[in-house]
Amino acid sequence: DSGVTQTPKHLITATGQRVTLRCSPRSGDLSVYWYQQSLDQGLQFLIQYYNGEERAKGNILERFSAQQFPDLHSELNLSSLELGDSALYFCASSVEGTNTEAFFGQGTRLTVV
Amino acid sequence: EDQVTQSPEALRLQEGESSSLNCSYTVSGLRGLFWYRQDPGKGPEFLFTLYSAGEEKEKERLKATLTKKESFLHITAPKPEDSATYLCAVLIFYGGSQGNLIFGKGTKLSVKP
Repeated sequence: DSGVTQTPKHLITATGQRVTLRCSPRSGDLSVYWYQQSLDQGLQFLIQYYNGEERAKGNILERFSAQQFPDLHSELNLSSLELGDSALYFCASSVEGTNTEAFFGQGTRLTVV
Repeated sequence: EDQVTQSPEALRLQEGESSSLNCSYTVSGLRGLFWYRQDPGKGPEFLFTLYSAGEEKEKERLKATLTKKESFLHITAPKPEDSATYLCAVLIFYGGSQGNLIFGKGTKLSVKP
């Protein structure tokens, strides 16, 4: 158990809908990262937050957004969902903001039908 | 363009048959190289971090090495429980403290008894 908790584990929704994925980082970790993993693309970095502020952006679509709350949990919002958004979404956390030794959660499997 | 390439894509070994996985990278501003293990449907599990050429780290049957252009993950006398996908990632900095992990697509290792 990495100590990073993601909910829900599975999510099935229809095209055009909006969903929210939640992540609780390890105790003491200030930084949260979101990744998307699909079969053909591998792990793709989406966005990073550090102590409530956006720190870095990767390949995140405009339909996607995230935030980190004062208690350091984070939410990833996906809207206007398309079939191609079906993937595993991972959250990771680390003590610092430099992405060293990040610990991953178990992921949320999103299926868009 | 920053790129991480892992080879082979898949590797099948007999129990006890030692081998090596390769991770080559072309990035600017490398700050570290990470190895992760990922089991099906689970989040990546951190294995090693290497920071400079010539550095080596070991953990049980695994040994990671780093040169200026590539890293190797050596597996000595593997067991079936070592079967997993092994991911390599490089940490690069864009400026200040903004970092990003770029992942390779992984090597899927199968160890047969």
